[in-house]
Amino acid sequence: AQTVTQSQPEMSVQEAETVTLSCTYDTSESDYYLFWYKQPPSRQMILVIRQEAYKQQNATENRFSVNFQKAAKSFSLKISDSQLGDAAMYFCAYTSGGTSYGKLTFGQGTILTVHP
Amino acid sequence: DTAVSQTPKYLVTQMGNDKSIKCEQNLGHDTMYWYKQDSKKFLKIMFSYNNKELIINETVPNRFSPKSPDKAHLNLHINSLELGDSAVYFCASSQGGRANYGYTFGSGTRLTVV
Repeated sequence: AQTVTQSQPEMSVQEAETVTLSCTYDTSESDYYLFWYKQPPSRQMILVIRQEAYKQQNATENRFSVNFQKAAKSFSLKISDSQLGDAAMYFCAYTSGGTSYGKLTFGQGTILTVHP
Repeated sequence: DTAVSQTPKYLVTQMGNDKSIKCEQNLGHDTMYWYKQDSKKFLKIMFSYNNKELIINETVPNRFSPKSPDKAHLNLHINSLELGDSAVYFCASSQGGRANYGYTFGSGTRLTVV
């Protein structure tokens, strides 16, 4: 079974600085997709960024970028120029491109605190 | 218009009661899901429906029964509520029985059993 591991329960960053959240996953498949979701105190789940496993290029969305290391099964999220509104719980998630029937497997989450 | 809407947002009830949570999506997606987020914030899939057909049923007690009257609606009925059922329940949707583009989530229902 696929597993997703976030080894950092909590992280903190100063406003305007850069922070990296870690995620590793375990799979034997070659076709899969990875995601980072943000859950602020409002508890709404917001998609931050998406990566296709067969694409070498790391995904970027404005201040958010990933470092996708397929061989190492690592998928970290870098937040640049951190803002107070980035404070939230961040979840890494995995889905198989093949036979998962749309199942998303989530990591345990990382709480990000942003200090002014 | 809210893309995936869940009602109610908060639900407080006594042990032993039966309750339902409703979910509707207006995105035209054909796949809908229920996830449970426990007190440690861990998210775990419970059920998935594709075009009204149950396709994922994780190890969930029989007291939980999903119902999909059409592909835009997926309701969750819980019988004989227990303290351990207290959690946030999320409804979500995606297209084509896959999650290649992720899910669109509802805002969650916080269920508290007392």
